[in-house]
Amino acid sequence: AQSVSQHNHHVILSEAASLELGCNYSYGGTVNLFWYVQYPGQHLQLLLKYFSGDPLVKGIKGFEAEFIKSKFSFNLRKPSVQWSDTAEYFCAVTLGGGSSNTGKLIFGQGTTLQVKP
Amino acid sequence: GAVVSQHPSWVICKSGTSVKIECRSLDFQATTMFWYRQFPKQSLMLMATSNEGSKATYEQGVEKDKFLINHASLTLSTLTVTSAHPEDSSFYICSAPGQLGQPQHFGDGTRLSIL
Repeated sequence: AQSVSQHNHHVILSEAASLELGCNYSYGGTVNLFWYVQYPGQHLQLLLKYFSGDPLVKGIKGFEAEFIKSKFSFNLRKPSVQWSDTAEYFCAVTLGGGSSNTGKLIFGQGTTLQVKP
Repeated sequence: GAVVSQHPSWVICKSGTSVKIECRSLDFQATTMFWYRQFPKQSLMLMATSNEGSKATYEQGVEKDKFLINHASLTLSTLTVTSAHPEDSSFYICSAPGQLGQPQHFGDGTRLSIL
């Protein structure tokens, strides 16, 4: 079955440290890729998405992600984290291209990021 | 502003009660909506796909008779948790697909607590 795997379950960083969260998916066809963030007590917010084109995607709040098709990966990065980045981060995919994409999101397990001031 | 409105945001009720959660698309029509469940400290799991004018499609392991889904109009999908028990306590989230090329719009979620 198709799945999304996030390797880091809990990451603790100091402010200004660089961040990279791993995400791999298992599906051989076309995918759309997403990173969502969930701040404590809040709903999901979209950080960035990849549908096609430039595999290096820039999102909000200084986040970026790179789609490496050969590695089935879509890792999230940020050069310098802030205390306010403390949150839960979810990688997600939808399967299929164009009209064949059902829109069903398959989520990874999530990574808890704790940034110490 | 919000493009998907989910109501209520928080429900506390006794075991055995049925609870209805509404998901409305604002300013756009959604022939499909998705219902997810999120347990504490866990990821979102797709429960079912709500289809306007037809039966919902349930994911494996989700009880159809337990979680009734109705998509009566192009802007409203409802999830009814029937005879809820404490193990049904969770965070339920709906979403509607965006237009072609756009990501999904999520509701704010409903926190369901069954006593």
